[in-house]
Amino acid sequence: QLVLTQSPSASASLGASVKLTCTLSSGHSSYAIAWHQQQPEKGPRYLMKLNSDGSHSKGDGIPDRFSGSSSGAERYLTISSLQSEDEADYYCQTWGTGIRDVVFGGGTKLTVL
Amino acid sequence: EVQLVESGGGLVQPGRSLRLSCAASGFTFDDYAMHWVRQAPGKGLEWVSGISWNSGSIGYADSVKGRFTISRDNAKNSLYLQMNSLRAEDTALYYCAKDTARKYSGYEHYDYWGQGTLVTVSS
Repeated sequence: QLVLTQSPSASASLGASVKLTCTLSSGHSSYAIAWHQQQPEKGPRYLMKLNSDGSHSKGDGIPDRFSGSSSGAERYLTISSLQSEDEADYYCQTWGTGIRDVVFGGGTKLTVL
Repeated sequence: EVQLVESGGGLVQPGRSLRLSCAASGFTFDDYAMHWVRQAPGKGLEWVSGISWNSGSIGYADSVKGRFTISRDNAKNSLYLQMNSLRAEDTALYYCAKDTARKYSGYEHYDYWGQGTLVTVSS
């Protein structure tokens, strides 16, 4: 079964960097994922698609401070030079071949201290 | 600029119906699959339903199958969700989302989201 696992929370200081993790279930380590950001009281915003080899393509207007990387079944989102507006929920998403084959992780709430 | 604008949410009693709409602009609507995703208060994202570019392929989450119907009107650049037999557990913000895969290319992740429309099911 295709499942994405995220830590419920993370925190880091203003100006620092943080690395969020999304883990694919066993047998699915080759899958690509997408990262989405949801700021308080807003709809989600697409950040990037991240492939198993670590290559990624970002959405429109996403700053260079956001980057992605991969290792095995782990997919990472690194945010550098943290700003207050980065305080948000971050969701990963993956997909299969059918229209129903979409999975979201439980989300990570990032607090900027 | 791509825009997705949902409407039609509101307060409705259990067992009643509601129809959500999503008006799309800024891209060739009939080139892409579209989806509805919901978020219950304080919870994460849950895929609800999706429809292919030509309505030839449609899917529903088990939690709404048989009660919800997705449709689209490519001439009007609009996506719809007819929700019948509503339950308290359907209370959520409902987002429409655009798939990145073009027609004939399957389904992938979503690259644009609306701001959502709130559905509250309560007596």
